[in-house]
Amino acid sequence: GAGVSQSPSNKVTEKGKDVELRCDPISGHTALYWYRQSLGQGLEFLIYFQGNSAPDKSGLPSDRFSAERTGGSVSTLTIQRTQQEDSAVYLCASSSRPGRDLRQGGINYGYTFGSGTRLTVV
Amino acid sequence: GEDVEQSLFLSVREGDSSVINCTYTDSSSTYLYWYKQEPGAGLQLLTYIFSNMDMKQDQRLTVLLNKKDKHLSLRIADTQTGDSAIYFCAERDGGSQGNLIFGKGTKLSVKP
Repeated sequence: GAGVSQSPSNKVTEKGKDVELRCDPISGHTALYWYRQSLGQGLEFLIYFQGNSAPDKSGLPSDRFSAERTGGSVSTLTIQRTQQEDSAVYLCASSSRPGRDLRQGGINYGYTFGSGTRLTVV
Repeated sequence: GEDVEQSLFLSVREGDSSVINCTYTDSSSTYLYWYKQEPGAGLQLLTYIFSNMDMKQDQRLTVLLNKKDKHLSLRIADTQTGDSAIYFCAERDGGSQGNLIFGKGTKLSVKP
């Protein structure tokens, strides 16, 4: 697609339930990142996928959080036994050729972000 | 580890210039970015600067980089109410993964 697509855009869930958040990156982008933005906070890195390499999970806050990326494209972030402190906006971003600077017309695009999923745990 | 710091709030009057400041710690950063987040939306790349540049201008936006002091600023000329948003500074990890490290964001409020 033309941009990074995330679904659902909003999710309200009861405490203790599991949720799945989906990210569809830009076609051909090999790198995919998940970030969390809590109310009034900056962006907290969660996990990073690059091609077929093992993901960098160093940002996942607990073992209730997991993510997978199937076929090097779509990614799913799963939160098990949700807690109220998990309420946040979950942002996905994709990038091409990370660590190397892709230039198109002399412009480096960095990451392209989706619009995020707003998760509310009640 | 790497860290990016920004002031959290800035308030200006419409028509004035806004200057949003950022400091970073990773001297091996190759690119530095400014992203804009409007209410309820994702992050939009505004502009970037390569680490061997001092200044970059793009219409109403001017980015200044002081690499010695690891200080980055974004100046918005003739600020409009539509510029009200959160502005994130980010540095690119100088390592092979190219991760972006973000600041907490500066909330810009533009008063008419």
